[in-house]
Amino acid sequence: DAGITQSPRHKVTETGTPVTLRCHQTENHRYMYWYRQDPGHGLRLIHYSYGVKDTDKGEVSDGYSVSRSKTEDFLLTLESATSSQTSVYFCAISESPRQANNYGYTFGSGTRLTVV
Amino acid sequence: AQSVTQLDSHVSVSEGTPVLLRCNYSSSYSPSLFWYVQHPNKGLQLLLKYTSAATLVKGINGFEAEFKKSETSFHLTKPSAHMSDAAEYFCVVSDWDAGKSTFGDGTTLTVKP
Repeated sequence: DAGITQSPRHKVTETGTPVTLRCHQTENHRYMYWYRQDPGHGLRLIHYSYGVKDTDKGEVSDGYSVSRSKTEDFLLTLESATSSQTSVYFCAISESPRQANNYGYTFGSGTRLTVV
Repeated sequence: AQSVTQLDSHVSVSEGTPVLLRCNYSSSYSPSLFWYVQHPNKGLQLLLKYTSAATLVKGINGFEAEFKKSETSFHLTKPSAHMSDAAEYFCVVSDWDAGKSTFGDGTTLTVKP
């Protein structure tokens, strides 16, 4: 998707290992979000950021941490991966809450994470 | 608190027939409502949005949705389905305070030839 890339696209990791997913944007948007998508659950917000070094928890933040040291990068870390964290992870961006409410979000293409 | 319910997890239609994907919402405020489409192995793409202007909203690829406050519904329709419409569709309600959005569980649309 234009202006937002996620890496890696696919990853298989072992239970108990740390994993970091990266979201990179070229739109200079202030707000960045991490969602997880699971069958029958839609997308659920993990964490979001409203500026460099400014982050907050979403509804399913346990077991995850985030960092944002630059406007363009938002990292999601699974400190010790568990099988319940097998999911597809999406990053999204918006310029502001008002823009998100008026125009929606721009989503990345997702990272498929499998924890074995 | 806000919530959204997509009433059908799967919908199957024949090509050329109408599509109806149902969505009900709950919100304490005047909500913004969205429909997103997700094709296999792709990210989510905005299909259309309602933000307190006209209650009948037109989106891309011939889709429409009507906001009905009395019924707290925002159903997605299309007069004639195409094979390329086969995808997963998400209804989303958003509040004004923090730009946080609540996603429905999704409806998988299958289009039969």
